Formats: sequence, C-alpha cells, structure tokens
Amino acid sequence: GENVEQHPSTLSVQEGDSAVIKCTYSDSASNYFPWYKQELGKRPQLIIDIRSNVGEKKDQRIAVTLNKTAKHFSLHITETQPEDSAVYFCAASRGGSNYKLTFGKGTLLTVNP
Amino acid sequence: DAGITQSPRHKVTETGTPVTLRCHQTENHRYMYWYRQDPGHGLRLIHYSYGVKDTDKGEVSDGYSVSRSKTEDFLLTLESATSSQTSVYFCAISEGGNEQYFGPGTRLTVT
Repeated sequence: GENVEQHPSTLSVQEGDSAVIKCTYSDSASNYFPWYKQELGKRPQLIIDIRSNVGEKKDQRIAVTLNKTAKHFSLHITETQPEDSAVYFCAASRGGSNYKLTFGKGTLLTVNP
Repeated sequence: DAGITQSPRHKVTETGTPVTLRCHQTENHRYMYWYRQDPGHGLRLIHYSYGVKDTDKGEVSDGYSVSRSKTEDFLLTLESATSSQTSVYFCAISEGGNEQYFGPGTRLTVT
C-alpha cells in the first residue's frame, strides 16, 4: 500500500518568514495530494490540494508543488503569521480506489511573533 | 464546515464494554470514512463506506466494525473496547472527487 513520509515533524519560524513542509510518497499511481491544517482541539481542515496533472498551485500565501518523477510534494507558506501555527498533514490518494487517503504523520508549525 | 456531526463528542468507558460512535451527514455524500488520530501516528483509516451497506477495511480495522444502513449515517462499533483504542476518532465524507471533509471528532477514553 501507499506510504507517505512527512518532514520535518516540528518547524519553528519567525513571523513574516517562509515555511516549507515536504512529503514523499511510495505509490507511483497516486494522483491526488491534499494538505490539511489542524488547530489544537479542532478538526483537520483542507487548505489546498493538487492533482498529478499540475506541477504547482497557489492560493494567496500558500502554495503546493509536485514532482511526480521524484514522488514528492511540498507545502510553502509565505509571510507567516501567528494564526498559521497548527499541525499540517499531507496525504496521497490513488483516486479511483474509493478515494482513500494515506496521511503523513504531521508537522507542528509554530510561528513566533 | 460541511454538515457533519459526530456523537458523542466525548466518552469514557471501561475495558471490555461495547461502544458505538455515530457519524451523521446532511450533504448526501456517497463516501464516508472513519479515522483514528494518535500522537506520532497522524490519521489512520479504520473503515470506509462507498455506499449504503457497502463497506471495507482500512489499515487499522482490527477490533472495529462498521455499518451504514442509510446514506446519512455511518456507525463505528468497538465490540469490546481495549485501552489501545483510546484515541480521537474522526469521521470524514467525500462526494468522490477526493476532497474529504472532517467531522468535529470524538474523544474516547477506555479505562
């Protein structure tokens, strides 16, 4: 089955700096890669996703890049703010296999004012 | 947030007792999923459903069963709860385009 590795497990940045979280996946048939943000005590929230026919996608201060050849994808957050502090999860899916997601173990991002 | 509710939101139970968690959706989505979340493990799929009465196992299904008799409800049952099943349980729904939306979660403690 699919295996998703996520790094780093913790990341601390100063407000205004950029943050990058990286994930690798094992199943070359995976074609959908979402990112979720989870604040303390809350549910995971989908913040951005990318499909395998696209190399990069942006939404305001967040962007995701995908390298299918190397089987890795990354989340980029620019101009970080304290409210970006949360746990971020990447995931991968083969799509047609009932759309099951395999998640990475998460990255705790702390943005220091 | 998508129209997903989970009940109960918190539960404390004793080892060996049966426990049923409920996920209810008002979105009429076809797919429903149960995950557990534990520190250091992220979110792991327990069981999922791809239609009424259609269910299948995920990666950590031992000790759990599910049922889906209506589109809107997906039940997760721990037949005989163990301390290793202490966790936060999340339900998620999807229309089938990959995007999954999560419920608020149930914190279960087995003593």
